[in-house]
Amino acid sequence: EPEVTQTPSHQVTQMGQEVILRCVPISNHLYFYWYRQILGQKVEFLVSFYNNEISEKSEIFDDQFSVERPDGSNFTLKIRSTKLEDSAMYFCASSARRSDLNQPQHFGDGTRLSIL
Amino acid sequence: GQQVMQIPQYQHVQEGEDFTTYCNSSTTLSNIQWYKQRPGGHPVFLIQLVKSGEVKKQKRLTFQFGEAKKNSSLHITATQTTDVGTYFCAGIKPYNQGGKLIFGQGTELSVKP
Repeated sequence: EPEVTQTPSHQVTQMGQEVILRCVPISNHLYFYWYRQILGQKVEFLVSFYNNEISEKSEIFDDQFSVERPDGSNFTLKIRSTKLEDSAMYFCASSARRSDLNQPQHFGDGTRLSIL
Repeated sequence: GQQVMQIPQYQHVQEGEDFTTYCNSSTTLSNIQWYKQRPGGHPVFLIQLVKSGEVKKQKRLTFQFGEAKKNSSLHITATQTTDVGTYFCAGIKPYNQGGKLIFGQGTELSVKP
């Protein structure tokens, strides 16, 4: 079964540095998402992306964050000037169609980001 | 903003006992999806409910969507150790073009053999 793949599985970064988290969504999917989950807490929506632009973003997704689909397969999340509170598991997800049209989202294994 | 509340936060059961988790949204939803996350894993899609009053079954799991499309429940009959994990409901607002899933806090299920 097709999967969403994320790299790296674990990223350790010094506070203030920039990180790029990478995702390869399922190949025929058109909608892409980033979520984060702070340890022991619920999954929180960050951003959705369709047709090479952001469809929706949460209040968490401020100017520190950006997303990009640099080619036909990768979907990246960039976090600039990282802070301690950015430490979390970051999940990428994709869906074939919009979720309000009853499409499930398929999640990758996540990248655990640790800010020191 | 819109909230999805889920209870209980934790549930410890003896193997063979039943388990239920409840989800309640502050506003009407387009649909609700359920995900299971094993310890150290990622959310895995279980099912989605779309219609008012809908009931769906997957083997020992029964999912319900309320008449007002604001609440939902997941019931597991005769739990097994393989059911261990955190169960999340996630709602979608009507006409939400961004596809944002609003997750509940999750219910962590532990099953004692």
